[in-house]
Amino acid sequence: GAGVSQSPRYKVAKRGQDVALRCDPISGHVSLFWYQQALGQGPEFLTYFQNEAQLDKSGLPSDRFFAERPEGSVSTLKIQRTQQEDSAVYLCASSPDRRYQETQYFGPGTRLLVL
Amino acid sequence: AQSVSQHNHHVILSEAASLELGCNYSYGGTVNLFWYVQYPGQHLQLLLKYFSGDPLVKGIKGFEAEFIKSKFSFNLRKPSVQWSDTAEYFCAVNDGGGADGLTFGKGTHLIIQP
Repeated sequence: GAGVSQSPRYKVAKRGQDVALRCDPISGHVSLFWYQQALGQGPEFLTYFQNEAQLDKSGLPSDRFFAERPEGSVSTLKIQRTQQEDSAVYLCASSPDRRYQETQYFGPGTRLLVL
Repeated sequence: AQSVSQHNHHVILSEAASLELGCNYSYGGTVNLFWYVQYPGQHLQLLLKYFSGDPLVKGIKGFEAEFIKSKFSFNLRKPSVQWSDTAEYFCAVNDGGGADGLTFGKGTHLIIQP
């Protein structure tokens, strides 16, 4: 079946621009996660949704980062007034339900470059 | 807060060699442990996971890992590697008490020479 998809796959932004990154989770998956992966590092947790509810946003690095999942399926990560330090791969993952033991299935990521 | 250490950032082996990648975590409570792999040009995929029970877990493609609670370790092993095992390997942990987000190590870049 279809896996997690993300768009765009690549995004180049000028410093100060706003960007929106989209994640389509596996159909029926309740939980959705966003991670940020800087070059040469492991992914770092940003935020977590259970259906449409954002239950954990402790990893969002600043108030310029905002995520939503209004209908409990597709999610958008928005970054306002992008800075060069925002350059990274943004990964989305989904899992079948809210049990913490569930495997997270990752998408291919969106590679963001801020010039 | 949890943290995960992967001591070897780059490993180069010849085909048929044995592999062990180290992973240590710092968290005193109940944890769930994972190894993910990222093959060149592909997305992260699960190799294996440990929640409870037998501390020796077997995953896909002949990989296994052993949870040693006293050492806070979850090392990944494979007795005989293949060229196709060339990839980036990530150890990850989440709070067994219910926090869902994964904490990842920095990864180990494994290169298998034919």
